[in-house]
Amino acid sequence: GQQVMQIPQYQHVQEGEDFTTYCNSSTTLSNIQWYKQRPGGHPVFLIQLVKSGEVKKQKRLTFQFGEAKKNSSLHITATQTTDVGTYFCAGPASGGSNYKLTFGKGTLLTVNP
Amino acid sequence: EAQVTQNPRYLITVTGKKLTVTCSQNMNHEYMSWYRQDPGLGLRQIYYSMNVEVTDKGDVPEGYKVSRKEKRNFPLILESPSPNQTSLYFCASSLESSYNEQFFGPGTRLTVL
Repeated sequence: GQQVMQIPQYQHVQEGEDFTTYCNSSTTLSNIQWYKQRPGGHPVFLIQLVKSGEVKKQKRLTFQFGEAKKNSSLHITATQTTDVGTYFCAGPASGGSNYKLTFGKGTLLTVNP
Repeated sequence: EAQVTQNPRYLITVTGKKLTVTCSQNMNHEYMSWYRQDPGLGLRQIYYSMNVEVTDKGDVPEGYKVSRKEKRNFPLILESPSPNQTSLYFCASSLESSYNEQFFGPGTRLTVL
């Protein structure tokens, strides 16, 4: 079945440093969704990318979707303590009648003030 | 307020004692799903539902049942819970399918002794 791999599993940074997490799917994705889960909280939707090669920005966050629609990345510029949490990518498989949603295992980001 | 609610939020039970975790959404969403979250394993989809009376297996359905008799409700049933079902459970809903933004409930922490 479809697998979504995410690296790194953990990342600890000093406040002000940049951070990137990478997501790779074993199959082509219809779209890629990114979620953030604060410690003790529930996942919250950040953004969705649909087109091959798409790049979207949200303030200090930059999201990319690969040309083959099998990989994606989230980059945070100049991290802040409010960025702490686990970042998940998720993607439905492309085509067919399968409406499963597969999540990566997430990247836990901690920020040292 | 648009939301997904789950009850109970915390539950400690014993092996073999049937339990139900309720999930309700007030956004008239068609797609609902259940996930379990375990350390190092991320979010894994248990079951999903495309609409009333339409359900299908996710990646880890063994030991669980669901039903979708009303659009707003999607209960998760553990007929004979076992310790390996100790986990954090999230219900989620979206407008139409896995292709859309998922709205998550607050989570239910289940311990099976």
